[in-house]
Amino acid sequence: DAGVIQSPRHEVTEMGQEVTLRCKPISGHNSLFWYRQTMMRGLELLIYFNNNVPIDDSGMPEDRFSAKMPNASFSTLKIQPSEPRDSAVYFCATWRVTGELFFGEGSRLTVL
Amino acid sequence: GENVEQHPSTLSVQEGDSAVIKCTYSDSASNYFPWYKQELGKGPQLIIDIRSNVGEKKDQRIAVTLNKTAKHFSLHITETQPEDSAVYFCAASSGGGADGLTFGKGTHLIIQP
Repeated sequence: DAGVIQSPRHEVTEMGQEVTLRCKPISGHNSLFWYRQTMMRGLELLIYFNNNVPIDDSGMPEDRFSAKMPNASFSTLKIQPSEPRDSAVYFCATWRVTGELFFGEGSRLTVL
Repeated sequence: GENVEQHPSTLSVQEGDSAVIKCTYSDSASNYFPWYKQELGKGPQLIIDIRSNVGEKKDQRIAVTLNKTAKHFSLHITETQPEDSAVYFCAASSGGGADGLTFGKGTHLIIQP
């Protein structure tokens, strides 16, 4: 299996622009998580889905952030409009019943 | 919600020596405690985990201990090697991981040759 696949790996954009991050989960893993990693705050859980349904989005920082999972093979995290403080590495991770979270390699976002 | 504290933030040890990283958690309902290793430019990867019904678990050079009464758990790495250099994260969950993990801030482990 190819693991969790994220794109783009790097994104540089200007303040106010829309950013869309994408994730292809591991086949058969029915829970998907979006995390944000910064030096100051570490790894923060933004939102997670179970069987494509959003379960807990309490970690989403504000209305500028939205996430969707239209099917079991794809999820997006969108920021509109983006701000410099959104600069971070965004990770998608999927979970299997043994308890292990499998992380993608992350999308490094820089908002100028 | 859960709060996980991790110490130290940076740890430098001589190759061949042991390294210990400690974490405390706040939610007494937490029952699953994994440790992740993150190498530069990559996502975190599980290296060992322990559940609340076990006090200690070992896998070759890596061991984890759990004290539920004191709400703390530790990672022990023996006979450290250069490839052990990375950032290590502890985490906790009350749902066995199904509802996500709350992570500590990480420990940058440096193995000095």
